[in-house]
Amino acid sequence: GAVVSQHPSRVICKSGTSVKIECRSLDFQATTMFWYRQFPKQSLMLMATSNEGSKATYEQGVEKDKFLINHASLTLSTLTVTSAHPEDSSFYICSAGVSNQPQHFGDGTRLSIL
Amino acid sequence: EDQVTQSPEALRLQEGESSSLNCSYTVSGLRGLFWYRQDPGKGPEFLFTLYSAGEEKEKERLKATLTKKESFLHITAPKPEDSATYLCAVRHAGGTSYGKLTFGQGTILTVHP
Repeated sequence: GAVVSQHPSRVICKSGTSVKIECRSLDFQATTMFWYRQFPKQSLMLMATSNEGSKATYEQGVEKDKFLINHASLTLSTLTVTSAHPEDSSFYICSAGVSNQPQHFGDGTRLSIL
Repeated sequence: EDQVTQSPEALRLQEGESSSLNCSYTVSGLRGLFWYRQDPGKGPEFLFTLYSAGEEKEKERLKATLTKKESFLHITAPKPEDSATYLCAVRHAGGTSYGKLTFGQGTILTVHP
């Protein structure tokens, strides 16, 4: 069964809206979660690393004020896309892992900004 | 900078026609090479982890191997349900205690009945 749950699976909203995506680890406590973005027919691009109880580490070129990440507990990380615009439309995927174990991924969130 | 290159970009096979997918990588301090399967509209599903050259892992019709420069995912007698995008990723000794993954572009596998 799924060990990482991501919600919602799909969001359609108007330009200027802020959207929150949740990522939960179901069977384990994840000190580190990762947020990826995937464009059609392309691979996963890491956006940021989310560490429980501390500030997220963003990859080069990712606006931290645009993509707010909160990792308040060992089982929950959230990504908020603030003031979303059509160019933010994409497939967002989170993952979680423990120590040297493989990362397990959520089923992604399809974000469409009109 | 870590680099992962997968080939071919797309592979079309007949059911039962065995083949291999390639993943070439350059990474400083490899801490694991991972194979994932991704179905359309879904997140990647973990298949294998390989840590050192010469290591092999098998699961049903899939077998993953690793050398110092590349990994192969061998598919024996594939079935239509094996159709998916196969992703390769490497983990290095990054700035966090749990290293981040760098993904290749993926190979889109289509198996025709």
